[in-house]
Amino acid sequence: KNQVEQSPQSLIILEGKNCTLQCNYTVSPFSNLRWYKQDTGRGPVSLTIMTFSENTKSNGRYTATLDADTKQSSLHITASQLSDSASYICVVSTSRAGGGNKLTFGTGTQLKVEL
Amino acid sequence: KAGVTQTPRYLIKTRGQQVTLSCSPISGHRSVSWYQQTPGQGLQFLFEYFSETQRNKGNFPGRFSGRQFSNSRSEMNVSTLELGDSALYLCASRTGPENTEAFFGQGTRLTVV
Repeated sequence: KNQVEQSPQSLIILEGKNCTLQCNYTVSPFSNLRWYKQDTGRGPVSLTIMTFSENTKSNGRYTATLDADTKQSSLHITASQLSDSASYICVVSTSRAGGGNKLTFGTGTQLKVEL
Repeated sequence: KAGVTQTPRYLIKTRGQQVTLSCSPISGHRSVSWYQQTPGQGLQFLFEYFSETQRNKGNFPGRFSGRQFSNSRSEMNVSTLELGDSALYLCASRTGPENTEAFFGQGTRLTVV
């Protein structure tokens, strides 16, 4: 069964600290992996996309890594800010037999940054 | 370029009623997907429409239905509402099923009392 599992489920850190969120997947065949940020009461917004050949990609204070061999990805947030408080969702795309791509969503990590 | 627009933003309904939610995708996007999001469950896939045809369907009862119009706008209908249907309903648009980047709307917060 294609699955995307994220850990931890929730996390509280102090402003200015770093943190790392994990995503393990079993979906196959793999097309790409995206990290989304979802602020409370809003729709998710894409942060980064990782393809099979990419190991690391940065977007400001966000750095995503991908290990396609172990089927693991991480999202590292540097020097956290209060505005980073949100749910972070890992989404893996896999190609369908009938064409198109299917998106499989993780349940997300709820991050809270405190003063 | 306008984003994905969902209406209404908030809705309160009584058990047994039915509800229709609307989604206008980004201009030029022809694929629209619907998701239900509840605390602890993450995004659960409802269905996907492309060129007015339902391409894929998640594991939801037949009370949940949808359709897509020729202008790519989509509606989702839930009949005989249950308390457990209370959730944030998100719509996402893509240029087409081959594209892997989904752009989400703000969602419709449905509360069933």
